[in-house]
Amino acid sequence: QKEVEQDPGPLSVPEGAIVSLNCTYSNSAFQYFMWYRQYSRKGPELLMYTYSSGNKEDGRFTAQVDKSSKYISLFIRDSQPSDSATYLCAMSGGFKTIFGAGTRLFVKA
Amino acid sequence: GAVVSQHPSWVICKSGTSVKIECRSLDFQATTMFWYRQFPKQSLMLMATSNEGSKATYEQGVEKDKFLINHASLTLSTLTVTSAHPEDSSFYICSAPTGGLEGGYTFGSGTRLTVV
Repeated sequence: QKEVEQDPGPLSVPEGAIVSLNCTYSNSAFQYFMWYRQYSRKGPELLMYTYSSGNKEDGRFTAQVDKSSKYISLFIRDSQPSDSATYLCAMSGGFKTIFGAGTRLFVKA
Repeated sequence: GAVVSQHPSWVICKSGTSVKIECRSLDFQATTMFWYRQFPKQSLMLMATSNEGSKATYEQGVEKDKFLINHASLTLSTLTVTSAHPEDSSFYICSAPTGGLEGGYTFGSGTRLTVV
């Protein structure tokens, strides 16, 4: 079993839709949870960074962590074509960071 | 915010030659940098952790003699792919911790290496 599981997609949605991206994990030592956005042929850029369970909102993005279920989510409201990218979840704990495989998102105009 | 500058963004080299990739932290000091490799449609695979002033720590299965890492200053880490082969063709990305070692990371823009 991988430490972090993420559906690679692709996920295709119409412009304006609410997008839900998810990751599950197995290592309870993970304490920090991150979402990165990666455009084609570019390095990942940090979108959201959360610690412990709960929600964190930043503009159209909401990160949700449920440590009891070992499940994290990223919601994108009012999705735009410019949101089309690969979204990677990442988790840190015990001086180790593991990345998910990334979900490819396409937002159609 | 913190920026990591990575060069070159792409490089094509012949088999058997060596290629150096540089990552510089701008406006902040990075005592640690991470080097990743990413194949198409796959996640980031950590290759090694570069530590300023000391030897790099390599992940299992990564040949330290093939992927030479140097972190001579607090703002510069380099990865040299020696005696490159076509199977080394990949996307190489560096990152530096900017949210504490257990927190967020700032990534370079990546280097697309093609070995012909």
